Amino acid sequence: AQKITQTQPGMFVQEKEAVTLDCTYDTSDQSYGLFWYKQPSSGEMIFLIYQGSYDEQNATEGRYSLNFQKARKSANLVISASQLGDSAMYFCAMREGLGAGGTSYGKLTFGQGTILTVHP
Amino acid sequence: NAGVTQTPKFRVLKTGQSMTLLCAQDMNHEYMYWYRQDPGMGLRLIHYSVGEGTTAKGEVPDGYNVSRLKKQNFLLGLESAAPSQTSVYFCAGRRTGQYEQYFGPGTRLTVT
Repeated sequence: AQKITQTQPGMFVQEKEAVTLDCTYDTSDQSYGLFWYKQPSSGEMIFLIYQGSYDEQNATEGRYSLNFQKARKSANLVISASQLGDSAMYFCAMREGLGAGGTSYGKLTFGQGTILTVHP
Repeated sequence: NAGVTQTPKFRVLKTGQSMTLLCAQDMNHEYMYWYRQDPGMGLRLIHYSVGEGTTAKGEVPDGYNVSRLKKQNFLLGLESAAPSQTSVYFCAGRRTGQYEQYFGPGTRLTVT
């Protein structure tokens, strides 16, 4: 079974500073994927970034980067130059690996989330 | 494009009542998913579908049924609502060959 652990219930950061949100995972699959989603107070789920287990380079999307350390089974999200609008809940999630026949149904397992508060 | 939409946005049910949540998408998603989100927890998969006419159980399927008669729509049914089903329900869709799931805005359901 897959498991995602986010050990930081809440994080605080000063505007314009960088912040790292932790995520560790557990899986026996060889091929899998890791996501980060943002959930603002309005409630919608916003996709931020994706990292495949075989990707050699860490994924980046604008101010977001994913620090992927496969041996340590961690996939931390780094937000550079924090903005007030970054205040939200952040979820780490893992896509199931390939099953028999090389098929993946793309089911996601989510962590419990980290609430990020950006101070002016 | 409307993307992924959910109907209704809010609903209050009494214990034992039934209802159906509708998820509609115009993004040509083959895969569709229903999740629930409870306070202090991440999303958990209820049921999913890999194509029109097919459905499968997720992590927490008890008390729910689903149907996907048309590719664009994925329905989630509660036959006899219980207070433990008070939650926010999210629908998501995904195209074959893509990893990202696109989420609907959510439905907040309260069962009293």
